[in-house]
Amino acid sequence: QQQVKQSPQSLIVQKGGIPIINCAYENTAFDYFPWYQQFPGKGPALLIAIRPDVSEKKEGRFTISFNKSAKQFSLHIMDSQPGDSATYFCAALGGSQGNLIFGKGTKLSVKP
Amino acid sequence: DSGVTQTPKHLITATGQRVTLRCSPRSGDLSVYWYQQSLDQGLQFLIQYYNGEERAKGNILERFSAQQFPDLHSELNLSSLELGDSALYFCASSVAPQLVTGELFFGEGSRLTVL
Repeated sequence: QQQVKQSPQSLIVQKGGIPIINCAYENTAFDYFPWYQQFPGKGPALLIAIRPDVSEKKEGRFTISFNKSAKQFSLHIMDSQPGDSATYFCAALGGSQGNLIFGKGTKLSVKP
Repeated sequence: DSGVTQTPKHLITATGQRVTLRCSPRSGDLSVYWYQQSLDQGLQFLIQYYNGEERAKGNILERFSAQQFPDLHSELNLSSLELGDSALYFCASSVAPQLVTGELFFGEGSRLTVL
């Protein structure tokens, strides 16, 4: 049972483009929504996170948009660079055990 | 560098065998989590230990077991290995038993190949 659905599975954009990665959840007990970035050969690392009482959060070129009523959230990368090429995972924290549940990931490739 | 150390980085073994993956958490972290990463399932939570005690269990098979030792390092034991167990196994750590901000510190993973 997948509790966090992420799309697309892969994404290719040109340098300077704005890739958008979408996630949806079902469990209303989730109370924190982080995004992780994973480079090849490395473990995932926290990129940015948002609480459900906030509709948008920006950190540098990365923005999370959150729609609580639709139970959806998304990651936007402004002015994307080849160095942003990585796999991005959305996640949800909470539920009965308070675990971090990950989406299946989006492999982003930014072409120069 | 997250400060989480995993060994071995790569492991190739045969079906039916048993392997042990080792993890040392960040200095000061008492919680250790194990995740399995495969292409079709993404990052799947297996199990969590806090200060030596099992705290939460996810999609961990009965053939798999884990423990956390007094020095806080953890081991994941995988037995009666099957081809489908081939995956990247990540260890992650945090200070507290329950995540508040969703921040986990991941190691670089152990890639297991079962032939």
